[in-house]
Amino acid sequence: SYELTQPPSVSVSPGQTARITCSGDALPKKYAYWYQQKSGQAPVLVIYEDSKRPSGIPERFSGSSSGTMATLTISGAQVEDEADYYCYSTDSSGNHRGVFGGGTKLTVL
Amino acid sequence: EVQLVESGGGLVQPGGSLRLSCAASGFTFSSYWMHWVRQAPGKGLVWVSRINSDGSSTSYADSVKGRFTISRDNAKNTLYLQMNSLRAEDTAVYYCARDIDGSYPDYWGQGTLVTVSS
Repeated sequence: SYELTQPPSVSVSPGQTARITCSGDALPKKYAYWYQQKSGQAPVLVIYEDSKRPSGIPERFSGSSSGTMATLTISGAQVEDEADYYCYSTDSSGNHRGVFGGGTKLTVL
Repeated sequence: EVQLVESGGGLVQPGGSLRLSCAASGFTFSSYWMHWVRQAPGKGLVWVSRINSDGSSTSYADSVKGRFTISRDNAKNTLYLQMNSLRAEDTAVYYCARDIDGSYPDYWGQGTLVTVSS
C-alpha cells in the first residue's frame, strides 16, 4: 500500500525556520496537503494543493513540492506552532484512497 | 458555520459491532464528499474511508475493508460508519471530515472514541 514518510520530530528555537518533509512516490503527480494538530484537538488544514494557504492561516506557513518530496515551512516559528503536523495525499489507484504521513512532532523552545 | 458532530462511540467487545454517526450543518451536505479518519491513542492519523456526494462511490483502507461500511443520508445531513467484527486495534478516536471533490478533507469534527476491549 502507498506510504508517505515524515521525520518523527523537528525542533527549533522561537523565530527560527522549521522545515518538515514528506516523501512519497506519487507526489510528482499528486498534491500534498498539511494538517496541524494540537494536543487534544481536531486537525486543522494549514496548506492545500502543495502551497496554498487557507484563509486564517498565518503567512509564516508555506508549502512547496519537488519530485517525490513535499515540504512544510514555518518561517519564524512561534511557541504556539508547537504541534503535530501530518501530510496527506491520495494514492494513484484512481479510487481517491487517502493516506497520511506518520506525523512530525514540532517542538519550539 | 461549518459543524460536524460525531456520535455513537463507546466500549464494545472484540467481535462486536458499532455504528458511528456524523451530523453535518452549516454547509450543503449533499454537495460534499465525506471521510472517516481515526487516531489510536498516542498515535498518528489514519485514513479509514470516504464516500462521494451522492453515496454512489466508496473506498476503504485495507485494514477495514470487508468489516466497515460507510454510508450517508443526504436528507438527514448525516454520515455513518458501520463497524463490524471489531478488533482491539480498531480502538481509536474516529473523526469525520468533509471534502469538496475527493481531493482532501478540509473541516473536521471533534471525534468520538471507540474502545474495543473485553
